[in-house]
Amino acid sequence: NAGVTQTPKFRILKIGQSMTLQCTQDMNHNYMYWYRQDPGMGLKLIYYSVGAGITDKGEVPNGYNVSRSTTEDFPLRLELAAPSQTSVYFCASSYSEIGRDTQYFGPGTRLTVL
Amino acid sequence: AQKITQTQPGMFVQEKEAVTLDCTYDTSDQSYGLFWYKQPSSGEMIFLIYQGSYDEQNATEGRYSLNFQKARKSANLVISASQLGDSAMYFCAMREITGRRALTFGSGTRLQVQP
Repeated sequence: NAGVTQTPKFRILKIGQSMTLQCTQDMNHNYMYWYRQDPGMGLKLIYYSVGAGITDKGEVPNGYNVSRSTTEDFPLRLELAAPSQTSVYFCASSYSEIGRDTQYFGPGTRLTVL
Repeated sequence: AQKITQTQPGMFVQEKEAVTLDCTYDTSDQSYGLFWYKQPSSGEMIFLIYQGSYDEQNATEGRYSLNFQKARKSANLVISASQLGDSAMYFCAMREITGRRALTFGSGTRLQVQP
């Protein structure tokens, strides 16, 4: 199993540009998450999904959108990039059953908005 | 709302010694899960250990153990026999049992193991 994969690894955007961060998991997990990690901080939840077709906002959703058309994929869309969105973005997934729901993280995408 | 507090921004430990990283939490839930993750300089998040709120025994995973004191709402990570490769950021996190079941993270502790 590849686990959770994310692309790209690095990206530099200009203010106002848009992009999609890709996330794929091959563990057949129901739950998927997007977090962001600002320098020297812990992770904060942006959006999450409990299954295909179901998404909802986390703590810091402004400026982002998500979709979940399949169990495997959970892309994060940034519209009109701003410097405040400079961060490292992590995708994660987990099973829904209690006791098996450790979250597994992708390697992260480092995004800089200039 | 849940909150995780890690009061040690940085810690030093000598190789082969044990070290305790502190974590306190706040929640109104009766059922919850507590996690520790390691983030080396390469940036990935590595799961270390899990403790359920109803688990009677403290969790252990190899050189990692979790000192869970429910009444004090603390979940400290103990690393025994530190190795140079243990140098990293360590995050304590809590998972909601219901609803979105996302993780709430603390601000982390940077551990440096000295030879």
